[in-house]
Amino acid sequence: DAGVIQSPRHEVTEMGQEVTLRCKPISGHNSLFWYRQTMMRGLELLIYFNNNVPIDDSGMPEDRFSAKMPNASFSTLKIQPSEPRDSAVYFCASSLALRVGYGYTFGSGTRLTVV
Amino acid sequence: DQQVKQNSPSLSVQEGRISILNCDYTNSMFDYFLWYKKYPAEGPTFLISISSIKDKNEDGRFTVFLNKSAKHLSLHIVPSQPGDSAVYFCAAISSGNTGKLIFGQGTTLQVKP
Repeated sequence: DAGVIQSPRHEVTEMGQEVTLRCKPISGHNSLFWYRQTMMRGLELLIYFNNNVPIDDSGMPEDRFSAKMPNASFSTLKIQPSEPRDSAVYFCASSLALRVGYGYTFGSGTRLTVV
Repeated sequence: DQQVKQNSPSLSVQEGRISILNCDYTNSMFDYFLWYKKYPAEGPTFLISISSIKDKNEDGRFTVFLNKSAKHLSLHIVPSQPGDSAVYFCAAISSGNTGKLIFGQGTTLQVKP
């Protein structure tokens, strides 16, 4: 199993540009999560999906952020327009929803820098 | 509203000694608590968990203790090794309908040879 795959690993963009982050969860996992890591707040949950349906997007900071999961093997997190304060590491994770005690499997993250 | 808090940003210990990482939470509905370990340029990896019905869970050198009355948990690493140097995140989850994992800010552990 290749694990959770995120792309790109690094993204540098100019303020105002659209940014799209991609995630392929582990096959068979039915829950997918997008997190953002910052020094101040640690790992912050942005949104999560269960069976491709968004369940809780209360962590999405602003309308500039949107996420989709068109099928069980792919999800995107889009920022439009991007701002310098969006610079962070964005992680995608997946899990089998019923196995809460075993936690999630995370991807390696996308380091986003908005200049 | 930080439901899971790790008040120590960093910890430094000598190789072979015990490392104790602490975590506090506010939500009494949490029923699982987990610790994750993160190396630079990698995603967090699951380390150990504990159900709210237990007060201790041990896995090799790692032991997690839960004090529900104090809403406090801790991770003990004995003996500490240089390879344990990483960021450790405490997390909690309610296995109800929401099912989302809430993380603390993380504690950076440095184990000196």
